[in-house]
Amino acid sequence: AQSVTQLDSHVSVSEGTPVLLRCNYSSSYSPSLFWYVQHPNKGLQLLLKYTSAATLVKGINGFEAEFKKSETSFHLTKPSAHMSDAAEYFCVVSPYGSSNTGKLIFGQGTTLQVKP
Amino acid sequence: EAGVAQSPRYKIIEKRQSVAFWCNPISGHATLYWYQQILGQGPKLLIQFQNNGVVDDSQLPKDRFSAERLKGVDSTLKIQPAKLEDSAVYLCASSLELGAGSYNEQFFGPGTRLTVL
Repeated sequence: AQSVTQLDSHVSVSEGTPVLLRCNYSSSYSPSLFWYVQHPNKGLQLLLKYTSAATLVKGINGFEAEFKKSETSFHLTKPSAHMSDAAEYFCVVSPYGSSNTGKLIFGQGTTLQVKP
Repeated sequence: EAGVAQSPRYKIIEKRQSVAFWCNPISGHATLYWYQQILGQGPKLLIQFQNNGVVDDSQLPKDRFSAERLKGVDSTLKIQPAKLEDSAVYLCASSLELGAGSYNEQFFGPGTRLTVL
């Protein structure tokens, strides 16, 4: 079965400091992995995606994530946090194989707080 | 281009009542998804359509939930009768086609927040 585990339910950083949101995945196949962001009262927005190309993936707003198969991890990072980054972040897996229907399996989410 | 539209944005009902949500996907998108997001959790797929056919409804509680996409464009999700545990945000998403390839991003609507009292 495919799943993702977000290791922190809440992360607090100061503006201008690095951001690290941790995610481990479980998949029987070579998965597609995504990070989505959800701002209050707004729809989910795709930050970045890994689909078996380069293992270091760059996304919007300065975010990036590295796919590490040996560690089954897909951590999200940003060098310098901005106040506007405060939101809920979801790590997401979409399994490949014969059941590749594009189904997304979401983690529980990590709330990012950015302090001035 | 216009995004995924959903209505209503908010709905409050009593338990055992019925409720319906509407979704209009991005024009030209063949695949439509309904997700349920309970407070404090990630979204969970309820049902997935490819045009007007169901691809996956394995997590849809079929004794009370139903969904249709009759003309392969907009879709309606219904709950009858509602239970307290159905309180959640119901998200609709659409994508061009099936699969999780590089160009098959799912675009999400703003959601409908349902409160069951």
